[in-house]
Amino acid sequence: SAVISQKPSRDICQRGTSLTIQCQVDSQVTMMFWYRQQPGQSLTLIATANQGSEATYESGFVIDKFPISRPNLTFSTLTVSNMSPEDSSIYLCSVLPQRLESDTQYFGPGTRLTVL
Amino acid sequence: AQSVAQPEDQVNVAEGNPLTVKCTYSVSGNPYLFWYVQYPNRGLQFLLKYITGDNLVKGSYGFEAEFNKSQTSFHLKKPSALVSDSALYFCAVRSGNTPLVFGKGTRLSVIA
Repeated sequence: SAVISQKPSRDICQRGTSLTIQCQVDSQVTMMFWYRQQPGQSLTLIATANQGSEATYESGFVIDKFPISRPNLTFSTLTVSNMSPEDSSIYLCSVLPQRLESDTQYFGPGTRLTVL
Repeated sequence: AQSVAQPEDQVNVAEGNPLTVKCTYSVSGNPYLFWYVQYPNRGLQFLLKYITGDNLVKGSYGFEAEFNKSQTSFHLKKPSALVSDSALYFCAVRSGNTPLVFGKGTRLSVIA
């Protein structure tokens, strides 16, 4: 398994500002992902964070709005840029320790973001 | 394309009774199926997964799930529900080296 921590755990931000969320894993992992969970909704994949290269974004998500970094095998950041109230969500970091179909994907505790 | 359906938004069950949370899936290849639970203000916790082999999978906290290929289902079950089982449950699927795709979630309420 993998133990994942996220900072901050929650934040309240003003519209138009940006917030960077950090994800730290206690061991090296192959793949890291960022998900969004809007209030009362399921999890939606934002992007796959790739080490040393640009993240791979899902349809509807763009790099200018959600820049992602992954400098090594244990750390990633997600920035929510130019925020609006519609960005109020829980943002979850997730990891896949090995690049195997059968591997379990683990999740961090989430960052609860409220945009006023 | 992969997809997961959880047909029930809410399941209510009395404490001590058996519970079932339903999940059906659609994938183009071999499915890898997962159940997660989310307690209030917490992240997702892994419960169990089906990879191959025995269709009945046992997981954490007394939960089990039955894989049914012909019905493309992976229902979560527990013989005797506890009040502490009340939470949001997500079914997820993967086929190939791709991220998980989640169902919309089912809120389980166990009543004392």
